[in-house]
Amino acid sequence: SQQGEEDPQALSIQEGENATMNCSYKTSINNLQWYRQNSGRGLVHLILIRSNEREKHSGRLRVTLDTSKKSSSLLITASRAADTASYFCATDAGQAGTALIFGKGTTLSVSS
Amino acid sequence: NAGVMQNPRHLVRRRGQEARLRCSPMKGHSHVYWYRQLPEEGLKFMVYLQKENIIDESGMPKERFSAEFPKEGPSILRIQQVVRGDSAAYFCASSFDAGGYTFGSGTRLTVV
Repeated sequence: SQQGEEDPQALSIQEGENATMNCSYKTSINNLQWYRQNSGRGLVHLILIRSNEREKHSGRLRVTLDTSKKSSSLLITASRAADTASYFCATDAGQAGTALIFGKGTTLSVSS
Repeated sequence: NAGVMQNPRHLVRRRGQEARLRCSPMKGHSHVYWYRQLPEEGLKFMVYLQKENIIDESGMPKERFSAEFPKEGPSILRIQQVVRGDSAAYFCASSFDAGGYTFGSGTRLTVV
């Protein structure tokens, strides 16, 4: 079953604007990760946040994690057309061999 | 290190034929995971293997699907007597320890 549920399902913005995607999950986790997938391509790992972290930054990406609400958000600042892709959150229990559980993703379209 | 290698990238099979998908994990990674992605969906876990052992196959359909990760050579996902509903992208990931997943580019199976 799906663990993460991303919101919104689709998001369209203009270049330069910020994009915020949210993810909710159901069970306890050790790690939460965000991935990007360009149309018809594989997954690119963006960022991992551990359950004892509240916020993490990587370049134009900012991820927050609220374990009390079982939710995470991914913020992409100053978006570019090249950011157009689907974004997935994935959770795991943090032990070797634990499979990632993915949400259905948010499809982001950035127009120039 | 070439990363996780999957082949073929695209595979077309007629209904009733067999499909064999191959995945070579990253060097040093002993954990392999297979995921399936249906159109407009997130990735769904199928099976987790270590060398010569199936650890968790809770996501595998009960019939026609099998997976192996032999001592030598790549991991194989085998689908017998394919049906149109098997058409999907199949992704392999490998890890050394928790949180270190690396995904391949996937195999896109089309059943005609």
